[in-house]
Parts: sequence; C-alpha cells; structure tokens
Amino acid sequence: GDSVTQTEGPVTVSESESLIINCTYSATSIAYPNLFWYVRYPGEGLQLLLKVITAGQKGSSRGFEATYNKETTSFHLQKASVQESDSAVYYCALGEGAGNKLTFGIGTRVLVRP
Amino acid sequence: EAAVTQSPRSKVAVTGGKVTLSCHQTNNHDYMYWYRQDTGHGLRLIHYSYVADSTEKGDIPDGYKASRPSQENFSLILELASLSQTAVYFCASRTTYEQYFGPGTRLTVL
Repeated sequence: GDSVTQTEGPVTVSESESLIINCTYSATSIAYPNLFWYVRYPGEGLQLLLKVITAGQKGSSRGFEATYNKETTSFHLQKASVQESDSAVYYCALGEGAGNKLTFGIGTRVLVRP
Repeated sequence: EAAVTQSPRSKVAVTGGKVTLSCHQTNNHDYMYWYRQDTGHGLRLIHYSYVADSTEKGDIPDGYKASRPSQENFSLILELASLSQTAVYFCASRTTYEQYFGPGTRLTVL
C-alpha cells in the first residue's frame, strides 16, 4: 500500500531560524499522487497548508514551501525564518486522484522558541 | 465559513460499552470521513461516505460502524468499545483537493 515517512519530532527551533521537515513517499496505487502538507495548531483540527498535484512543481503558503520531486519521491517542507506562531504539528500526506483517500505521515511536532 | 464540528471533544468509556462519536459539517460537501490517530501513527481512515444513507469501509473498519443520516451528519459507532480503540478521532469533509477537519475527539477506553 501507499506510505508516507516524515521527520520524527519534536523538532525545536528558535524564532527566525530555518526549518525543514523531510517527507518521502511510496505510492503503489497511482504513479503520480497528489501531495499535501497539513498543519494542526493546538486545539484545532488539521488544515491544509499547501498542496502540489503536478510533479516538479512547488507549492507555497504562509512562508512555507515544498517541491514535488518524483525522482527522489520527496516533498520536504521548508521555511526560511520561523515564528513562534508556527509551533504546530505538520503532516505530510499523499492522495489518489482528486484526493478521495489520503495517506498520512505520523506528523512532526514543531516547537519554536521565542 | 466552512466548518466541521465534533462531539464530544473528549470521552471516557468502559470496555464493552457503546460509544457514538458525532460529526456535523456546514460545508455542503458530499464526502465525509472518519480517521483515527494513535501515537506513532499517521491518521488512518476508518469509514467514509459520499452520500447520505450510504457508508464505505476505509482501511481499518473492524470494530466500527458508521452512519450518515443526512448530508450534514456523520457518526462513528463503537458497539463494543475495546482498550485498543483508545485514540484521537478526526472527522473531515472534502472539496476536490482539500479536506476540512474537525478538532478531534479524544477517546479513552478503560
């Protein structure tokens, strides 16, 4: 079946430092899955941070970006300068087709120190 | 604003008891989902539905039933709760490429 592997947390960084969360995937049911990053802030449900549905493209949102690399089957999430408000749990996910079924990674808890 | 709400937000249940988790969406979406998350695992799909009065099995349906009485409401039912069903449960509805999640229900089975 499909699977997603991402950086184990917690990851602790200081404000204004850079952040990278690694994500690699294995898709057995579809050649080029859609790729997503979801974020969960404390007390809230998951919300979509960014998505890329075309291999080779980059998605970006709120200063975060991720590039869909089909050669390395990776979709790493990066931010050049984090803020305390970026403290959250980040989930990498892949979807079949129009996203009917999502396969999630375990989530990476990020703590940003002021 | 699109919204998915869940109730209760937390629950303690006894082994062998019946538990019903409720989900309500105001998104007017056809698809709805139930996931569970355990420590060390990503979210795993239990059941989903794409129309009222119909449900489909996800990846881990054993021990769970689902009910979709209307487009807005989707319930997850544990007829005989077990210790292994202690987890956080998330409900979601979706558009074409985005799923909207509720805040989760923390279920503890003792």
